[in-house]
Amino acid sequence: AQSVAQPEDQVNVAEGNPLTVKCTYSVSGNPYLFWYVQYPNRGLQFLLKYITGDNLVKGSYGFEAEFNKSQTSFHLKKPSALVSDSALYFCAVRDMNNRLAFGKGNQVVVIP
Amino acid sequence: KAGVTQTPRYLIKTRGQQVTLSCSPISGHRSVSWYQQTPGQGLQFLFEYFSETQRNKGNFPGRFSGRQFSNSRSEMNVSTLELGDSALYLCASSPSGAQTYNEQFFGPGTRLTVL
Repeated sequence: AQSVAQPEDQVNVAEGNPLTVKCTYSVSGNPYLFWYVQYPNRGLQFLLKYITGDNLVKGSYGFEAEFNKSQTSFHLKKPSALVSDSALYFCAVRDMNNRLAFGKGNQVVVIP
Repeated sequence: KAGVTQTPRYLIKTRGQQVTLSCSPISGHRSVSWYQQTPGQGLQFLFEYFSETQRNKGNFPGRFSGRQFSNSRSEMNVSTLELGDSALYLCASSPSGAQTYNEQFFGPGTRLTVL
């Protein structure tokens, strides 16, 4: 069965500094990978996805993610963090049977 | 287009009762999935419906059930509520379940509290 690991519960970063949220996955077959963000009392919002092609994927709000097949990782990155980026971030993987598995989420705190 | 809507937004029930939650997907979306979100377990997949048929099911007891109507609206039902069922229940829709690379669009959730 597919699974996702987000090893850090919380990521603290100063405003203006680079932000990285880590994700590793396990899935049979080709991975379809996603990042979502959740703000308080809201549903999840889609940020970006990797299906195939370039390993660097660009998404919404200046976020990007790098797919690394050998390390089975899909880390989310942003060159310069904003206070408004403070939220809960989820990595997810969908397998060929159409089942979607989410990681436990990372709380990102951007310090002014 | 209007987003995914869920009703009610908040619900308080007591143990042993049953509850029905409703989800209206984005117009044109035929796939609807349900998730349970709790602080301890994170986001857990409940089930997915596509064209009124349950296509995938997570590892939840039979007390959790769902259905999808011809207009793609979906309901989930939890019978004999337990304290541990307190959670945020999220519904998500996508254009076509056959294409596994489609992202999902989430509703705001229904916050269920079981007393």
